[in-house]
Parts: sequence; C-alpha cells; structure tokens
Amino acid sequence: QVQLVQSGPEVKKPGASVKVSCEGSGYSFTNYDISWVRQAPGQGLEWMGWISGYKDKTSYSLKFQGRVTLTTDRSASTAYMELRSLRSDDTAVYYCARDLRYNDIFYGMDVWGQGTTVTVSS
Amino acid sequence: QSLLTQPPSVSGTPGQRVTISCSGSGSNIGSNTVNWYQQLPGTAPKLLIHSHNERPSGVPDRFSGSKSGTSASLAISGLQSDDEADYFCATWDDALNGVVFGGGTELTVL
Repeated sequence: QVQLVQSGPEVKKPGASVKVSCEGSGYSFTNYDISWVRQAPGQGLEWMGWISGYKDKTSYSLKFQGRVTLTTDRSASTAYMELRSLRSDDTAVYYCARDLRYNDIFYGMDVWGQGTTVTVSS
Repeated sequence: QSLLTQPPSVSGTPGQRVTISCSGSGSNIGSNTVNWYQQLPGTAPKLLIHSHNERPSGVPDRFSGSKSGTSASLAISGLQSDDEADYFCATWDDALNGVVFGGGTELTVL
C-alpha cells in the first residue's frame, strides 16, 4: 500500500540541528511532491515547505526560510527535512505528506507519514 | 494567528448534521481549491476533502465540502461518535506562495 514512513523521535539541545527522513513506498516517488508540516503540542498544523519529487525545486515558508533545507534521494525514494539552530519552540511533531499537485495547482496532501517527534531541551 | 479562521469548537448529537466554517481572503480561498483534514487524537491528519468537494477513496459521503467566495464549509451528516476529532481546512495562498491552514476545530459528539 501507499505509505510514507518517517524516522524515529529525536531529542536535541538548543542551537543544534535535526534531520528527519521520510521514505515513500507503494507508488512512484518521482511522480509526487512532498510537503513538510509541523504541529507543536496542543497546536494546529503549520506548513514548512515542499520539494519536487522529480527535480531540484523547493519552496519554503517565509517563517522557516534560511533555517530549513528540504532534499530528496530519489534512488532511495526518500525525502529529508533538516532544521537548524533549534529553539525550544521548535518542539513539535513533524510530518511529511504527499502533495496532490497538477499543473502547479495544489489540491491537498493525500498521504501522510506517521510523524516524528522532535524535542528541543537543554 | 492563522490566515484561515475556523471556530475553535463545534458539537452535535449522534445523527445530527454539523458544519464547520473556514474564512479566508482573496489570495487564498478566493483563488484556490480548499481541502479538509480530520485528525483523530494521537494520529496523523487524514485528507477528507480536496478540490472543494472531492472525497478520496474510502471517505464516506457523510462528509461534504463547499466554497463560496472567500469562505468554505465542511458538513458532516449522520454524526457518529467516532467523528470526534480535530478538523482543519487548508489551501494555497498566492501572496505567501505556500500552504495555509486554519487553526482547527474540535468536534465533540455529545
């Protein structure tokens, strides 16, 4: 079945970096873009950015620009999200999700990873 | 502060019909398709509605979406206890060049 499987929980100190992976299976990875969304404890969903599944194209939320990098390893059907200069308010569950996007029109995110908990604490 | 405004909570009794509103602006809802997500406690969000009113395979037709101008709504008919969840609207924002989410609505089935 179509699924996205993310890497395990992380605990980091303030100022450190974290890199979360997201492996796609059951579909052609290069046919879809991947978005990253985070959810702080008890809060709503926050979009961080997206990366093309088949070319080196990314778009980042202004809030995270300069601090986040999205990459893919197409040979491994895996997407990565690296967040640098971590702060305590970066503590959240980070999700990857498969974009429904046709002709540059965004229609939604139809498959989600299970989420990766990142805790930032001294 | 979310660019898309949802009521923090709604409630209903089993069998009832409830609606959840999502208010935006011309650069987001007014120009793009709206999607809705259901998030059960402790789980990842699930796509309920895309392209205003299209349901992915497996989503019951009790769930429906609509859009008018810069607002959208999710309707749930025949309310069931396992519909208790958080619901989020989302769309693309042309001014921000990114996805924006509503703040979420907690649905309680009384």
